[in-house]
Amino acid sequence: KAGVTQTPRYLIKTRGQQVTLSCSPISGHRSVSWYQQTPGQGLQFLFEYFSETQRNKGNFPGRFSGRQFSNSRSEMNVSTLELGDSALYLCASSLAVASGRSVTDTQYFGPGTRLTVL
Amino acid sequence: GENVEQHPSTLSVQEGDSAVIKCTYSDSASNYFPWYKQELGKRPQLIIDIRSNVGEKKDQRIAVTLNKTAKHFSLHITETQPEDSAVYFCAATRTLRYAGGTSYGKLTFGQGTILTVHP
Repeated sequence: KAGVTQTPRYLIKTRGQQVTLSCSPISGHRSVSWYQQTPGQGLQFLFEYFSETQRNKGNFPGRFSGRQFSNSRSEMNVSTLELGDSALYLCASSLAVASGRSVTDTQYFGPGTRLTVL
Repeated sequence: GENVEQHPSTLSVQEGDSAVIKCTYSDSASNYFPWYKQELGKRPQLIIDIRSNVGEKKDQRIAVTLNKTAKHFSLHITETQPEDSAVYFCAATRTLRYAGGTSYGKLTFGQGTILTVHP
């Protein structure tokens, strides 16, 4: 099976612009989560989508938003970019389906999108 | 919300030695604890995980222990090799169950440990 893919891999934007990042989960996976990774703050949860609905949200401003499509692919959008938004944005997918006593919950990460805001 | 503390921030060992990384969590309802390894410029990769109904889990040279009472869990790597050098992250989450599925999305990560294994 192909792994989690993210596009684009690298992005350079200027302050005030907006950006859209894309994530394609592993085939059959239904949950997609987004994380921001920076040297200072580490890995921080942004939001999670399951069945096209945002299920969890981290402590990020409203400039950060996302959505999930019926095929489980997900996008995240950052509007009015700030210098501090420069980071590696990672998405992770998981099967997230409980079947009796068995739950497949491992999160598999994509390679990330490196966003630089100038 | 959940808070995860990870120690040490850096760890340097000689090849063949053991390495131990410790994490504490604050939310007593957390019930899933994965460990990820991230090599420079690469994505985090799951190396082992443990659920709250288990006290210890082992996979070859890697083991994880969980103490629910004390709210801490640890990663143990034995017979370290230079290729074990990487940043290791612990994480914790509480299972949330939705109609039609179970969500483990909201992982709270520790700050990471830079492990260096010297040949």
